[in-house]
Amino acid sequence: DVQLLESGGGLVQPGGSLRLSCAASGFTFSDYAMSWVRQAPGQGLQWVSTISGSGSSTYDADSVRGRFTISRDNSKNTLYLHLSSLRAEDTAVYYCARTQTMIVVAPFDPWGQGALVTVSS
Amino acid sequence: QSVLTQPPSASGTPGQRVAISCSGSSSDIGSNTANWYQQLPGTAPKLLIYSNNQRPSGVPDRFSGSKSGTSASLAISGLQSEDEADYYCAAWDDSLNGWVFGGGTKLTVL
Repeated sequence: DVQLLESGGGLVQPGGSLRLSCAASGFTFSDYAMSWVRQAPGQGLQWVSTISGSGSSTYDADSVRGRFTISRDNSKNTLYLHLSSLRAEDTAVYYCARTQTMIVVAPFDPWGQGALVTVSS
Repeated sequence: QSVLTQPPSASGTPGQRVAISCSGSSSDIGSNTANWYQQLPGTAPKLLIYSNNQRPSGVPDRFSGSKSGTSASLAISGLQSEDEADYYCAAWDDSLNGWVFGGGTKLTVL
């Protein structure tokens, strides 16, 4: 059974940094692209970043480019998102998601349960 | 402001058919397939429709999708109370080189 488990969320001050992790199991991790999608409180879904199965290619939303870094450790079956220069508007639940197939532009399926990041002083 | 445009709300009574629209542009839905996600209250999103009109295993055939030009549509027939959820459309955008979502449609079963 495919499982994605996020961790590392919490309260951080504006300008601070945080690293989210997503532990994957139940599939060959390196075969699939992985993504982060966030949802601000009471708001809709916003794509953040995607990384290819090998980790050689990454794609970022304009709103986070230069501040957030997606990475993965295929030996540990773990996806990461390093968040820096955090702003209040980065407050959201951050979901990790696997692509449905091995193609980078395949839809997100499944999703993790999410990790809440709160940026506040 | 979301790149893809959805109505903020929709409603229907049990047994009815409802449709939710998703309007995009030539660089997203016009060039790539549309996907739909269902988010039940308090839970993570779930893939509902992919490649415009394909259902993942386990999704009832009451849910169907279609695409025409730069727009997509999700239809739910035989509406049930458990269908009450937020629905999001999404597509890859060739200009942005990333995913774009609609703002979401909150479906209420009256």
